[in-house]
Amino acid sequence: DADVTQTPRNRITKTGKRIMLECSQTKGHDRMYWYRQDPGLGLRLIYYSFDVKDINKGEISDGYSVSRQAQAKFSLSLESAIPNQTALYFCATSDLSDSYNEQFFGPGTRLTVL
Amino acid sequence: AQSVTQPDIHITVSEGASLELRCNYSYGATPYLFWYVQSPGQGLQLLLKYFSGDTLVQGIKGFEAEFKRSQSSFNLRKPSVHWSDAAEYFCAVASGALVFGKGTRLSVIA
Repeated sequence: DADVTQTPRNRITKTGKRIMLECSQTKGHDRMYWYRQDPGLGLRLIYYSFDVKDINKGEISDGYSVSRQAQAKFSLSLESAIPNQTALYFCATSDLSDSYNEQFFGPGTRLTVL
Repeated sequence: AQSVTQPDIHITVSEGASLELRCNYSYGATPYLFWYVQSPGQGLQLLLKYFSGDTLVQGIKGFEAEFKRSQSSFNLRKPSVHWSDAAEYFCAVASGALVFGKGTRLSVIA
């Protein structure tokens, strides 16, 4: 079984809809991250969480919110989706005790906003 | 602010030829550097990482990278490319989260 899972893997939605992307991990890591990938722009950080009570904005947090429901779960929400949020979204985890912060990625969620 | 530059957006090499993908970083302290590969329709797989010590690091799939502090570079190399190496390659530096370059797409021709 994959250590970092994301659901759904693909989603098509309409402008204005609320959507939630979910991430679960079995690695026992404290730190979790959400990135988005756009062609030609690489991956950019949306939000990150270093433990259940810790939430931090990343480079491009506008239009997004997150919830850290448990150590193993970190959800990303788009309150009112817009077409330029069409992208590939990745969840990642890392171990708090790892000072080098090596990250482990989920398979990604491809989101299309019409 | 920390940043990573991958100067080459797209590279095409012949199968069996050598490969070098360039990566330059901007970071104030000792950098922790990574190379990831993303095959078409797939997630990110870690190829190799540099934390300290030997500046030439070996990774999976026959890849290696050399850290050069004087040039702020961490270039990825492979002596002989296989068709299955066609993918997108990302260099990243650890700064709390990861800061990624924009990627280099590698095409391999017969």
